[in-house]
Amino acid sequence: DAGVIQSPRHEVTEMGQEVTLRCKPISGHNSLFWYRQTMMRGLELLIYFNNNVPIDDSGMPEDRFSAKMPNASFSTLKIQPSEPRDSAVYFCASSPDRNTDTQYFGPGTRLTVL
Amino acid sequence: QKEVEQNSGPLSVPEGAIASLNCTYSDRGSQSFFWYRQYSGKSPELIMFIYSNGDKEDGRFTAQLNKASQYVSLLIRDSQPSDSATYLCAVNSGGSNYKLTFGKGTLLTVNP
Repeated sequence: DAGVIQSPRHEVTEMGQEVTLRCKPISGHNSLFWYRQTMMRGLELLIYFNNNVPIDDSGMPEDRFSAKMPNASFSTLKIQPSEPRDSAVYFCASSPDRNTDTQYFGPGTRLTVL
Repeated sequence: QKEVEQNSGPLSVPEGAIASLNCTYSDRGSQSFFWYRQYSGKSPELIMFIYSNGDKEDGRFTAQLNKASQYVSLLIRDSQPSDSATYLCAVNSGGSNYKLTFGKGTLLTVNP
């Protein structure tokens, strides 16, 4: 079975540009998580979806960040406008259901904002 | 602010030795505890979870939990160079069963 799929794997953009990160969870998983990882702050949960509905977005840093899950097999994380401090690795993870703690991570997207 | 603390390392051990990784957490309500391994440039991979006080063994790995002391550890026996990675401790927090708070990780180096 394919694991969590993320695209692009690397993104380099200039400050002020819009960035869209994409995620396909493991088939049959109905919980999806977006994380950000930096050296300074470690791995932080940005937003959590269950059955395509955002349940907890308390980790989204500011209004420049938005996330959607239009169906069970696709989610996006958008940053508009991007800033250099957004440079990080963004991971998507999925879990079989909301009562399962086990989360499976995608390969991540390394974002660099110049 | 719920916190998970780990020694950043690096922790260096010779091949065949026991590596001991430690983690403390601040949320007394936490019920689930995880160890993830992350190779450089890769994503976190779950290697162990533990819910109850005491020890849990899985192959060369043993997780230890002491809720009274708010302490979790991971022992790796017969360490191999392939165990060289960053080990992340994660704890469920906020009374939820999905929200994980991660430590910043301990870098382990196993020397041949």
